[in-house]
Amino acid sequence: QSALTQPASVSGSPGQSITISCTGTSSDVGSYNLVSWYQQYPGKAPKLMIYEVSKRPSGLSNRFSGSRSGNTASLTISGLQAEDEADYYCCSYAGSTTWVFGGGTKLTVL
Amino acid sequence: QVHLVESGGGVVQPGKSLRLSCATSGFTFTSHAMHWVRQAPGKGLEWVALTSSDGSGKYHADSVKGRFTISRDNSKNTLYLQMNNLRAEDTAVYYCAKGGSTWYYFDSWGQGTLVTVSS
Repeated sequence: QSALTQPASVSGSPGQSITISCTGTSSDVGSYNLVSWYQQYPGKAPKLMIYEVSKRPSGLSNRFSGSRSGNTASLTISGLQAEDEADYYCCSYAGSTTWVFGGGTKLTVL
Repeated sequence: QVHLVESGGGVVQPGKSLRLSCATSGFTFTSHAMHWVRQAPGKGLEWVALTSSDGSGKYHADSVKGRFTISRDNSKNTLYLQMNNLRAEDTAVYYCAKGGSTWYYFDSWGQGTLVTVSS
């Protein structure tokens, strides 16, 4: 299966809100409530931010939220902070015990 | 605190084999599915393989099927990835990742181990 489609980059100023989209197909994003999002700093391991479309792991800031409409999932970060500058990846279950990731989005905090 | 530590990476010639290990602690290993996910230099993440909590279920991405085998030793709380017939395109950082309350997402990750396939 093909990778999910994410914008290569997004940017925002501190305090603003940004949204990162993740577009798949009816065989992955559109079929399952099993989209997750990961934050990755350069040279570091990814970190789970959202799972099952909109659930936050315990202890994660509520500035991070997720949603899905049709074949597109979205990650919204509100009250943007400098520490949010990182790469973000979406991931969806794609059936037949396989998973597909997005190409990643570089978030720049201006 | 969950701790995942990969080892076994290195430089290997095309066609050769390598076995990666992931030592775990801080959680009940036997209760969680485990995954391998890789990231080629400067590229995105790619799911590689999954093993169920008891090791009976093993699933691999098409890109590695027939060459890579995931396994686990629940007596040692350790995950493995046997990689045979390595290709240049297998060059990547390999992460082990713990499945969450279900195996559909990855709730903890190791720091990764770099595998370089080059002659």
